[in-house]
Amino acid sequence: GESVGLHLPTLSVQEGDNSIINCAYSNSASDYFIWYKQESGKGPQFIIDIRSNMDKRQGQRVTVLLNKTVKHLSLQIAATQPGDSAVYFCAEIRMGSNYKLTFGKGTLLTVNP
Amino acid sequence: GAGVSQSPSNKVTEKGKDVELRCDPISGHTALYWYRQSLGQGLEFLIYFQGNSAPDKSGLPSDRFSAERTGGSVSTLTIQRTQQEDSAVYLCASSPHSGTTEQYFGPGTRLTVT
Repeated sequence: GESVGLHLPTLSVQEGDNSIINCAYSNSASDYFIWYKQESGKGPQFIIDIRSNMDKRQGQRVTVLLNKTVKHLSLQIAATQPGDSAVYFCAEIRMGSNYKLTFGKGTLLTVNP
Repeated sequence: GAGVSQSPSNKVTEKGKDVELRCDPISGHTALYWYRQSLGQGLEFLIYFQGNSAPDKSGLPSDRFSAERTGGSVSTLTIQRTQQEDSAVYLCASSPHSGTTEQYFGPGTRLTVT
């Protein structure tokens, strides 16, 4: 069946280091892949998306890489800050009449000062 | 402007009772989504509305779950005869239309079934 999952459930980094959060997916029919950040007690917050025909997209301090050959998605956070501590979810979207957004299980990022 | 709001923020109910969860989307957003998040888990897609219609109801876990949206705005998710496995955080999100990737989430309703 369809699934979006994560390699590591937790990641701990030092403040100022770069973080890399990974995600594996199985549905090749997805139109977009997305990263969300969820802080404790809050709903998820959109970070960045990437269309399925792209390999890389950059935002402010974040870069998403998509490797369709191995069905792998990653989120890179540059100069990680304590405010980046949260659970990060990857998700895939299938657009159109059968619209569906499927989330992975999440990675807990902890930034140590 | 106001974001997505949900009520109640917390709900404790006894097994077998019915509950109704409410979502107020961002004004003007035509697409509305419901998700369920169990402890330590990812988000499980339940249903989405484009306007008042729900093209895809396949994510609803059972026939005890139903959702409606009237006037293209407020939505209610109803769970009948609640079971302990229904305990979770129910999240609502909205977006300007269903063709976008960015969804704006509310804070969720934490449902506990005792």
